[in-house]
Amino acid sequence: EVQLVESGGGLVQPGGSLRLSCAASGFTFSSYAMYWVRQAPGKGLEYVSGINIDGGSTYYADSVKGRFTISRDNSENMLYLHMGSLRAEDMAVYYCARDGVSNGWSSFDYWGQGTLVTVSS
Amino acid sequence: DIQMTQSPSTLSASVGDRVTITCRASQSVNSWLAWYQQKPGKAPKLLIYKASSLESGVPSRFSGSGSGTEFTLTISSLQPDDFATYYCQHYNSYPPWTFGQGTKVEIK
Repeated sequence: EVQLVESGGGLVQPGGSLRLSCAASGFTFSSYAMYWVRQAPGKGLEYVSGINIDGGSTYYADSVKGRFTISRDNSENMLYLHMGSLRAEDMAVYYCARDGVSNGWSSFDYWGQGTLVTVSS
Repeated sequence: DIQMTQSPSTLSASVGDRVTITCRASQSVNSWLAWYQQKPGKAPKLLIYKASSLESGVPSRFSGSGSGTEFTLTISSLQPDDFATYYCQHYNSYPPWTFGQGTKVEIK
């Protein structure tokens, strides 16, 4: 059974940093591109970042470019999102998601339960 | 970036109704479009990929159509479990793969 479990969310002050983690199991992690998607309270879904199977290609929404870094550890089946210079508008539930095809780019077929990031002084 | 626009934003319907949600892309995304369902406090669930392919385990009352810039999600006979918010997302060419703003299906 495919499982994605996020952790690392919490309360952080504006300008602070946080690292989110996503533990993957039930599939060959190193064969799938992975993503982070966020949802601000009461708002819609926003694509944040994506990473290819070996970590050699990464993609970011303009809203987080230069502040967030996505990475992965295929030996540990872990996905990460390093978030820096956090702003109030970064406050959201952050989901990790798996690509729907191995070794390619597709829709997101499995999602974690999400982890809440609160940015407030 | 490609912009995705859904209509309507909110839809009131009754059990048994046929429901159609539209998603328009600011430029062609070919058939690289997905539909998701999200219920309050839960993660999104993939319903349709490649515009019209039904994800495994999704009831056949859900269907998708379209290509290029205009797409529709249809629920042939709305069931109580279908009251939720629906999002389209493109995954054409280069990221970011943007989502539509969502369509909330409410009980009439």
